[in-house]
Amino acid sequence: EVQLVQSGTEVKKPGESLKISCQGSGYSLTSDWITWVRQMPGRGLEWMGRIDPRSSYINYGPSFQGHVTFSADKSISTAYLLLSSLRASDTAIYYCTAGGSQSRVWGPGTLVTVSS
Amino acid sequence: DIQMTQSPPSLSASIGDRVTITCRARQDISSSLAWYQQKPGEAPKLLVYATSMLESGVPSRFSGRGSGTDYTLTISSLQPEDFATYFCQQYHSTPYTFGRGTKLEIK
Repeated sequence: EVQLVQSGTEVKKPGESLKISCQGSGYSLTSDWITWVRQMPGRGLEWMGRIDPRSSYINYGPSFQGHVTFSADKSISTAYLLLSSLRASDTAIYYCTAGGSQSRVWGPGTLVTVSS
Repeated sequence: DIQMTQSPPSLSASIGDRVTITCRARQDISSSLAWYQQKPGEAPKLLVYATSMLESGVPSRFSGRGSGTDYTLTISSLQPEDFATYFCQQYHSTPYTFGRGTKLEIK
């Protein structure tokens, strides 16, 4: 079964950084783009951007450029989302997705809470 | 960015009803449109891609159509498991923007 396994819930303080992982299970991350999607509490879905693990080519959504960094380690089939200088408004669930421009496979999400 | 206007924001319907959700793009997206279903506490699930192609395992009561800027998702006969929130997404050009969602509730 194809799955994306994400790292667990995080509670961070403003100004801290956080790296979320997304590992393919039964799925090679070198097969396709990995996309990151944010969902703030009670809100809709926001496309943060995507990385091609084969080439490390990256598209960042304009709203996220400069605040997030995508990376990938093909050798362990894992993609990463780095959130820098966290603020309260970064409180959200972060999903990684795969399987094409239309996201066929979704990770379970990583809940991030930023609070002093 | 291509803005996606989804309507209605919420919809109340009964088991067996036929319902339609609409998504309008600010510009022609050449049928690069997907629909997702999200239930509380779960990740979204792909239902339809390329406007009208049903993802594997999705019941045939779901259908999508449209072209240019206007797209619809129809559920022909609502089942209890269909009460959820639905999102459209254009993937014609990055950033691949989503509609704001339609919450489908039981009447």
